Amino acid sequence: QQQVKQSPQSLIVQKGGIPIINCAYENTAFDYFPWYQQFPGKGPALLIAIRPDVSEKKEGRFTISFNKSAKQFSLHIMDSQPGDSATYFCAASYQTGANNLFFGTGTRLTVIP
Amino acid sequence: DAGITQSPRHKVTETGTPVTLRCHQTENHRYMYWYRQDPGHGLRLIHYSYGVKDTDKGEVSDGYSVSRSKTEDFLLTLESATSSQTSVYFCAISDAGSTGDEQFFGPGTRLTVL
Repeated sequence: QQQVKQSPQSLIVQKGGIPIINCAYENTAFDYFPWYQQFPGKGPALLIAIRPDVSEKKEGRFTISFNKSAKQFSLHIMDSQPGDSATYFCAASYQTGANNLFFGTGTRLTVIP
Repeated sequence: DAGITQSPRHKVTETGTPVTLRCHQTENHRYMYWYRQDPGHGLRLIHYSYGVKDTDKGEVSDGYSVSRSKTEDFLLTLESATSSQTSVYFCAISDAGSTGDEQFFGPGTRLTVL
């Protein structure tokens, strides 16, 4: 059973567009929500993360929006570039003593020049 | 990849054979994790370690065992590989086990079980 649901599965945008990837969860014990970026043949790498006490976090062109009451969070990529083409995973964790991450199923983003 | 190596990077094996994957880190991080990545499932935690000889099960631990005899090495063993264990396996490390502590991932091992 997938604890974090992610959509869409794939996304194609033109350069300069603003792709949005959405995630939802049920477990209210989750208290940390990172996004990972993965390029083909590589391991995932942390992109940006948020805690539920804030509704938005921005780092460069990447923004997380968080809606605690709806148990949803999303990633927005401003002014998307072909170099942003990758697979993006949302995740969630709660304090278990080991920071175990529960991942979404991933979104393959393609930015067309 | 944050001082993490995985070996082998690719392996093809037959059903029923034992397989061991190795994760080696040079960061002296306390926590180490094994995940598997499959289409439609994202990454799922298999086992993790919170110190030498200290390990625990993750979400999909059946059919896998792990060992950690040194801080820098974390081994994942498939005692008798099955086709359902065909996957890409990632090792990750983190300095502390608290939420918000970044996990750094290795380059992955692609395992095919025929």
